[in-house]
Amino acid sequence: DAGITQSPRYKITETGRQVTLMCHQTWSHSYMFWYRQDLGHGLRLIYYSAAADITDKGEVPDGYVVSRSKTENFPLTLESATRSQTSVYFCASSRVGELFFGEGSRLTVL
Amino acid sequence: QQQVKQSPQSLIVQKGGISIINCAYENTAFDYFPWYQQFPGKGPALLIAIRPDVSEKKEGRFTISFNKSAKQFSLHIMDSQPGDSATYFCAPNSGGSNYKLTFGKGTLLTVNP
Repeated sequence: DAGITQSPRYKITETGRQVTLMCHQTWSHSYMFWYRQDLGHGLRLIYYSAAADITDKGEVPDGYVVSRSKTENFPLTLESATRSQTSVYFCASSRVGELFFGEGSRLTVL
Repeated sequence: QQQVKQSPQSLIVQKGGISIINCAYENTAFDYFPWYQQFPGKGPALLIAIRPDVSEKKEGRFTISFNKSAKQFSLHIMDSQPGDSATYFCAPNSGGSNYKLTFGKGTLLTVNP
C-alpha cells in the first residue's frame, strides 16, 4: 500500500548507543520531516528535508543526524542516545501544506 | 516564543454534545489552517482545513470557523461520538512553506457514551 512506513515500531536501547529510525514513503513527495511527540510538548520538529541531499534543522535538532540520499528514504540517527530522547518519533511527508504521517516509532532509552 | 496557542488542553463531552477547540496564532503570513486528528498509537491525520478567503467550512459533523481579525480559528464537532475521542492538533502555516508547520500542543477529547 502507498504511504509512509516507519521501522522499527518499537525500540529499547541503552544510553550511549547509536540508534537509527527508518522512514520510507511511496508518494515521491519532496518534503519529509521528523517530529518527536512528548506529553506536554505536542509535536516538535527535529529535522526536515526539502529534497534529496537537502536537509535542515527544526526546533529540536541536538543529538540527531539525518540524511536523504534518495527521495523516498529519510532515516533519523541518534548517534549517542540519551534518556531525554525517549519519545515517540513520527516521520511525515508533505504535499502543499498537508502532512502525511507514519504510525510512529516508540523509542525507550534506558 | 509560542506562535500557536491551542485550548483547552483536554475536553470531556457527552455523546451528542458539541466539542469546541480553539487555536490562536501570531503569524499574519499564515494562509492555511488545518486541524489534525490523532488516535492512540497512530500518527496524526488531516481532518479538515480552511483557507482565509472563507470564514467557515463544514465537512459532515466537523466545522472550522475562522476569525482573521482575531487571528483565531476553531474546530466544532457537532453530535460528538465516542469514536471522536482523540487528540486534536491545529497547525496553521504558510501553505507553500511546508517546513514552517508549528503544531499546537494538542487537545485530548473524550466523548463519554
